[in-house]
Amino acid sequence: AQKVTQAQTEISVVEKEDVTLDCVYETRDTTYYLFWYKQPPSGELVFLIRRNSFDEQNEISGRYSWNFQKSTSSFNFTITASQVVDSAVYFCALSDLEVSSSNTGKLIFGQGTTLQVKP
Amino acid sequence: DVKVTQSSRYLVKRTGEKVFLECVQDMDHENMFWYRQDPGLGLRLIYFSYDVKMKEKGDIPEGYSVSREKKERFSLILESASTNQTSMYLCAHSSRQKTGQFFGPGTRLTVL
Repeated sequence: AQKVTQAQTEISVVEKEDVTLDCVYETRDTTYYLFWYKQPPSGELVFLIRRNSFDEQNEISGRYSWNFQKSTSSFNFTITASQVVDSAVYFCALSDLEVSSSNTGKLIFGQGTTLQVKP
Repeated sequence: DVKVTQSSRYLVKRTGEKVFLECVQDMDHENMFWYRQDPGLGLRLIYFSYDVKMKEKGDIPEGYSVSREKKERFSLILESASTNQTSMYLCAHSSRQKTGQFFGPGTRLTVL
């Protein structure tokens, strides 16, 4: 069965600190997608990144970076020089591979990590 | 811009009432989903639909039903609301061609 675990329930940091959010997943599929979503206090989930299981290159986007390690089934998310606006709940999610007439793109979500960045 | 609208941001209902939550998307996507979000449990899939009039149960369908009469609209129905259905409900949609879901703003439902 597919499963996503975010062991950190809540993290609190002071502005400008770096913070890493952990995500560990389980799947029997050899091909799959991993995602990170951000949920600010307004409630709407915002898509951050999608990563194909074939591509293990780390990715950086501004202050955000993602470390995908297939060997340890982990897809960790690091925010560098955190800011108060980064305060949100962050979800990691897993999906089977796309593109088939029957694929519905179901996502399996982790429990979420609440990040609080204090000024 | 992608737009997903949900009928209400906040809703208060009484036990036993029939509740309709509506979701409308303007991306012409085939797949639509209903999740509920509870503290410590993350998002759990209630139902999804991969085409008009098609539906499949998710992980927690008990107490819910859905309707998809038009491609852009996916409704979640609580036939007889109960207090344990107090939750945040999130609608999402995706295309078959590209994995990744777009989410609506959510409806916070309170059942008294």
